Amino acid sequence: NAGVMQNPRHLVRRRGQEARLRCSPMKGHSHVYWYRQLPEEGLKFMVYLQKENIIDESGMPKERFSAEFPKEGPSILRIQQVVRGDSAAYFCASSPAGRISNQPQHFGDGTRLSIL
Amino acid sequence: GDSVTQMEGPVTLSEEAFLTINCTYTATGYPSLFWYVQYPGEGLQLLLKATKADDKGSNKGFEATYRKETTSFHLEKGSVQVSDSAVYFCALNLRASKIIFGSGTRLSIRP
Repeated sequence: NAGVMQNPRHLVRRRGQEARLRCSPMKGHSHVYWYRQLPEEGLKFMVYLQKENIIDESGMPKERFSAEFPKEGPSILRIQQVVRGDSAAYFCASSPAGRISNQPQHFGDGTRLSIL
Repeated sequence: GDSVTQMEGPVTLSEEAFLTINCTYTATGYPSLFWYVQYPGEGLQLLLKATKADDKGSNKGFEATYRKETTSFHLEKGSVQVSDSAVYFCALNLRASKIIFGSGTRLSIRP
């Protein structure tokens, strides 16, 4: 399967713990995007990364959330000291380099994060 | 700011009925427009897209036409099937960063 791979599919954490979500983009894609979907809502943009660079983090909460896309390995979305309101589905998408606006982003199946 | 407004759901239809899901957008500039579909427990799949005014995107019997004069991108299908039951998201992409999504429309098709 050459699609966007996210793991884990489901993650359960207790309040105060850390959550790490991983995303491997499609082969040949160097742009990664993270979105959050609250129950019964649409997806909201969080952050856009290229290799080793954060390009746009305007949708990322200022505290507890961070994202990286290292030169080697998957992109990581990290949530520290999780709270109940962090429970959501987190989706990763990727796209190729170049003129992006008419290139669709390809989505992974998401990580469903539940906070106890 | 840039935004997408789509028809509130849920929408319930009988098999073989005609489907329209309305979508309008607000954007500074000339966005690309998309419809994504989300089946239960899965991620989003691109259903169709249009990149400029008057383009028609089509896939699996679904169609949508990019109407600049009415800033709309309504999704239509002539005869729906039970397997079309899903949540449909209208979306726009203006620059090389984020996609802006509508809130989604849940579609249920009765056999």
